[in-house]
Amino acid sequence: NAGVMQNPRHLVRRRGQEARLRCSPMKGHSHVYWYRQLPEEGLKFMVYLQKENIIDESGMPKERFSAEFPKEGPSILRIQQVVRGDSAAYFCASSAFPLAGQETQYFGPGTRLLVL
Amino acid sequence: DAKTTQPNSMESNEEEPVHLPCNHSTISGTDYIHWYRQLPSQGPEYVIHGLTSNVNNRMASLAIAEDRKSSTLILHRATLRDAAVYYCILRDPGAGSYQLTFGKGTKLSVIP
Repeated sequence: NAGVMQNPRHLVRRRGQEARLRCSPMKGHSHVYWYRQLPEEGLKFMVYLQKENIIDESGMPKERFSAEFPKEGPSILRIQQVVRGDSAAYFCASSAFPLAGQETQYFGPGTRLLVL
Repeated sequence: DAKTTQPNSMESNEEEPVHLPCNHSTISGTDYIHWYRQLPSQGPEYVIHGLTSNVNNRMASLAIAEDRKSSTLILHRATLRDAAVYYCILRDPGAGSYQLTFGKGTKLSVIP
């Protein structure tokens, strides 16, 4: 069984460019979560999506960040006009059932974004 | 979600048991206790979770105090591969929130 896949694993962008991070959930999972880990800090929740729906985006910065999980294909986290403060590791997780409080989230290896 | 308190760091010798404590004095009756760990340069990995009774799986055991105000993650024989940051996380199914709230965790070092 393939786990959660993220690509690219490393991404370098210059200030003002766009960053697109992709996440393919585990087979059979239709719930995707994105987290961000700033250097030397813990992971922070960003957004929770189901196929074609954003369920909870309470952790997303109000500007420049967007996420989608189309009917076909991977989930995409998009950062427009990146700034140096966006440099971080971005982790995607997936789960099978939304049993709030109980379900296990399976994490990918992360995408490490460096903004020059 | 209620707050958890963990030691910043712990050390263990290889092949010895490790007991990682977590205090959660404000836990509610419906909060589940989850443990995840993050190995260096990797994504977090689920370890175990429980509600009231002690739990065992192939990775670890979870001992939950009778009053549920604390819990202990037990690694029965630490290996070098167990060196990671361990996170104790409370999850309230009634809160309608699916996010995991990570604190600073406990950094476990395993000495060969």
